[in-house]
Amino acid sequence: LAKTTQPISMDSYEGQEVNITCSHNNIATNDYITWYQQFPSQGPRFIIQGYKTKVTNEVASLFIPADRKSSTLSLPRVSLSDTAVYYCLVGLNYGGSQGNLIFGKGTKLSVKP
Amino acid sequence: DAMVIQNPRYQVTQFGKPVTLSCSQTLNHNVMYWYQQKSSQAPKLLFHYYDKDFNNEADTPDNFQSRRPNTSFCFLDIRSPGLGDAAMYLCATSRDIQTNFNSYEQYFGPGTRLTVT
Repeated sequence: LAKTTQPISMDSYEGQEVNITCSHNNIATNDYITWYQQFPSQGPRFIIQGYKTKVTNEVASLFIPADRKSSTLSLPRVSLSDTAVYYCLVGLNYGGSQGNLIFGKGTKLSVKP
Repeated sequence: DAMVIQNPRYQVTQFGKPVTLSCSQTLNHNVMYWYQQKSSQAPKLLFHYYDKDFNNEADTPDNFQSRRPNTSFCFLDIRSPGLGDAAMYLCATSRDIQTNFNSYEQYFGPGTRLTVT
């Protein structure tokens, strides 16, 4: 099973770019890398997903090196409302008996004014 | 708006008294999931349905059961809740995968916070 390792917490200030790196050394060939954001007392919300190289959407970018053993979520110009826990998830987006959908411990991002 | 709805948002039950949590979706997604999330921990997958096919995670206790009577609804039954089952229970949905290299995001509901007294 592909396990992920992320920093437990990060601090930033409004307007800065934040990069959160996730390690997944035993990622499988078919695995995708997905990032979710979770606010207190809410369900996680999809941010971005990628398989290799770089993916960008309206809220974030995801950088994946050629060996795919890590990935970096980049949040441009964070605001106070970006304070949340960010989870890196590796696997197919379909559970299966192997339990492919394992959330890492998450990174608690605190954005300060 | 299409969404995932969980009822109730807060549920209090007594130790050992069966409880059912419900989830409904208007997304018409094939796959529905149940996660357990304890305080300051990551969500943990309990089981999921691919259409009517039930898939249980190996370490999900027998105390937890699920039913999916139709595409839109899915229920989580806890037969004899213990104090350790107090947690947020999250329902999620996704479309099915078409190929090995195609993967879809999960849509989560707001969760039901279960308290066991």
